[in-house]
Amino acid sequence: AQSVTQPDIHITVSEGASLELRCNYSYGATPYLFWYVQSPGQGLQLLLKYFSGDTLVQGIKGFEAEFKRSQSSFNLRKPSVHWSDAAEYFCAVGAWGSQGNLIFGKGTKLSVKP
Amino acid sequence: NAGVTQTPKFQVLKTGQSMTLQCAQDMNHNSMYWYRQDPGMGLRLIYYSASEGTTDKGEVPNGYNVSRLNKREFSLRLESAAPSQTSVYFCASSESVIFLGSGVHFGNGTRLTVT
Repeated sequence: AQSVTQPDIHITVSEGASLELRCNYSYGATPYLFWYVQSPGQGLQLLLKYFSGDTLVQGIKGFEAEFKRSQSSFNLRKPSVHWSDAAEYFCAVGAWGSQGNLIFGKGTKLSVKP
Repeated sequence: NAGVTQTPKFQVLKTGQSMTLQCAQDMNHNSMYWYRQDPGMGLRLIYYSASEGTTDKGEVPNGYNVSRLNKREFSLRLESAAPSQTSVYFCASSESVIFLGSGVHFGNGTRLTVT
């Protein structure tokens, strides 16, 4: 079955520390992979996406993610977290011909300590 | 750029009432979607429209209807609201349901409570 797993429900990091949010997927076809961020009461903003090519992708707000096919993972990273990064982060997967049906993980809530 | 615009932002309904959630996008996208978001469940697809004039069921279509009014607008209707439909509803759009490489763009959501 197609699925996306974000193993960490809640992560707390100190401001200025590095961040890695984990995402593992199970998908039969070659995947499109996305990371979205959602601030409280807001919609989902696309941080970055992987379609093909270079497996390390750069996104907005200083985020990057690395696609590792052998591990079925697409982890999100940031070298130095800012207080404004506190939000919920969602990993999602789709595919060519999936009729736009993105499969979402259940999200990881990020808290940032001063 | 407005992107994807949803109205209303908040709504409270009594069980059995009906309402329509409106969505419009100004990115000239062909495909549009309605998702619902529930705590601990992530987002689940209700209906989608691959192109103007077509609509199809997603993962959780029961209790909902949709209309693709034109290329810009895609509405979601609850004919007889139930407490289980209390949720946050997101409209989204993309260039195509086939090619998602340019991303799926979301509106800011409608928070619906059914009492």
